[in-house]
Amino acid sequence: DTAVSQTPKYLVTQMGNDKSIKCEQNLGHDTMYWYKQDSKKFLKIMFSYNNKELIINETVPNRFSPKSPDKAHLNLHINSLELGDSAVYFCASSQAGSATYEQYFGPGTRLTVT
Amino acid sequence: AQSVTQLGSHVSVSEGALVLLRCNYSSSVPPYLFWYVQYPNQGLQLLLKYTTGATLVKGINGFEAEFKKSETSFHLTKPSAHMSDAAEYFCAVSEPGGSYIPTFGRGTSLIVHP
Repeated sequence: DTAVSQTPKYLVTQMGNDKSIKCEQNLGHDTMYWYKQDSKKFLKIMFSYNNKELIINETVPNRFSPKSPDKAHLNLHINSLELGDSAVYFCASSQAGSATYEQYFGPGTRLTVT
Repeated sequence: AQSVTQLGSHVSVSEGALVLLRCNYSSSVPPYLFWYVQYPNQGLQLLLKYTTGATLVKGINGFEAEFKKSETSFHLTKPSAHMSDAAEYFCAVSEPGGSYIPTFGRGTSLIVHP
């Protein structure tokens, strides 16, 4: 059973388009995240979201928006895609009230903007 | 505020040699510490974690790490490297009672030569 899943795995699109990446977790966790990993493997947190609060990294452009239809899903919507958005995007989840805060990651979505 | 420094963006070892990946942290409270591994084209997975108690923690695939408060370090070791250990390794820190969002280091790429 896949704990955290993402679709699609690969996404190739042109500048200016709008796209979404879906994420689902079946771990019963209450908190989900989106990370961006650049070509140098640096992980940057974009959003953290649970049913109480959305924490946004202030450096993330407002073209990026998380959408959560329910506790098990956190989708990432990106408007007006730019070349610099090309990266691997990871969804993760954790139980915010747990003792250890460890995170469970999805397999990633490689976004290429041409 | 918490921070993590991983010394060396690349570490190269021969198969069978000792693996040592360095991690130093900064935290205002006794931290929770993590090592994650990312195999090529995959998401991150937890290798091991330190929360409280014994300072030497054992993880999967023969890895272990020791929490040294006096040195603010949490270095990752493995006595004998295998080719399959080639991956990106991330150290992370979070603060109990504080933000549940961990801070990740920039990662260390482990290269294993035959």
